Amino acid sequence: DVKVTQSSRYLVKRTGEKVFLECVQDMDHENMFWYRQDPGLGLRLIYFSYDVKMKEKGDIPEGYSVSREKKERFSLILESASTNQTSMYLCASSPPGANTGELFFGEGSRLTVL
Amino acid sequence: KQEVTQIPAALSVPEGENLVLNCSFTDSAIYNLQWFRQDPGKGLTSLLLIQSSQREQTSGRLNASLDKSSGRSTLYIAASQPGDSATYLCAAQSNDMRFGAGTRLTVKP
Repeated sequence: DVKVTQSSRYLVKRTGEKVFLECVQDMDHENMFWYRQDPGLGLRLIYFSYDVKMKEKGDIPEGYSVSREKKERFSLILESASTNQTSMYLCASSPPGANTGELFFGEGSRLTVL
Repeated sequence: KQEVTQIPAALSVPEGENLVLNCSFTDSAIYNLQWFRQDPGKGLTSLLLIQSSQREQTSGRLNASLDKSSGRSTLYIAASQPGDSATYLCAAQSNDMRFGAGTRLTVKP
């Protein structure tokens, strides 16, 4: 079974802190994604990556950056956390073939910024 | 830009009923459509993936159909159980993947 693991299920941070959200997948998938999910707004794509060292902006990249140094790991970075970044963050991966693969999600990371 | 709509937003049924969840999308040029389940506070679990060349997919009590020409997909759940209570989301994949807002299903014992 595909497993996408998000290292932190719950985090509480203060405004201005740098935050790292880690995601690891074990199925050798090329494609990895970061979404945030908010009530009334649904899932919105922040960043995605189709290969190591590669990254592409999604719909709402402002205030975020990503890192993909190894194929299995895709990190989301909040350079200076703000209260409007309080949200559920979901990592996903899919096999190669950018538009045909099944998407697998992690359990999510609930971030609260005070 | 692709828009995905799910109706109804919420549904409550007694245990044992068969039910249908609806998903519509505006751009019929999709590669696939995927159905997910989400339990409160959790991530999304993939249920069924229908490629654009397929008409339906089945897994256990679940059956998903796809009609690209009309921009519609349905998820049929047979003999519903309280454990089926969750939010069900559909997502249409074209140049990117777009999600519906979900249908919150409650199955009452």
